[in-house]
Amino acid sequence: DIVMTQSPDSLAVSLGERATINCKSSQSVLYSSNNKNYLAWYQQKPGQPPKLLIYWASTRESGVPDRFSGSGSGTDFTLTISSLQAEDVAVYYCQQYYRNSGFGQGTKVEIK
Amino acid sequence: EVQLLESGGGLVQPGGSLRLSCAASGFTFSSYAMNWVRQAPGKGLEWVSGITGSADNTYYADSVKGRFTISRDNSKNTLYLQMNSLRAEDTAVYYCAKAERFGERYYFYFDYWGQGTLVTVSS
Repeated sequence: DIVMTQSPDSLAVSLGERATINCKSSQSVLYSSNNKNYLAWYQQKPGQPPKLLIYWASTRESGVPDRFSGSGSGTDFTLTISSLQAEDVAVYYCQQYYRNSGFGQGTKVEIK
Repeated sequence: EVQLLESGGGLVQPGGSLRLSCAASGFTFSSYAMNWVRQAPGKGLEWVSGITGSADNTYYADSVKGRFTISRDNSKNTLYLQMNSLRAEDTAVYYCAKAERFGERYYFYFDYWGQGTLVTVSS
């Protein structure tokens, strides 16, 4: 199984400041035949299902604000919120879909 | 508009069985792989199972293999999860989720989710 580990478990950021969440996979999720990283990011607010933000490690889902960006390759990935808004308070999950599927443990983002 | 509506959750005793359903609308159901993802109370997301559009391939997490069975009825636009030999650790909200497809390939990232149905395993 591919194990996904996120850091930190939680972070508090001031409004308008940058939030950075890291995700590490236990093995590479880069598929050599198409040079794509099989890595997605989701946002989950209390009482709601998760919402897809990013797929292929850096492709923003339609309708997602451009303050959300994804980067990284192989085993190390980052989700960045460039200017934190109040509505961004949520838990964020990374997910590998290289081999079946698996999620990180989640990172809770709060306002400082 | 894509809609996914889960049903069938409830309270069941350890060792019991339950069948979840997910009614889909707003897209060509038979063309897309579907999945179940669960979330224990206050915990993170856990992928449970997936099935291709034509149901020719199914996939399971190790934690449920041999106990859960995923299936679908494309004539009814409905996804199922048959859960047997239930344990306390299966207690969770179960979400159905639609996977993406490009050409003939399925990719298990999930662009649409239902609201979930709660399964509680307790005596």
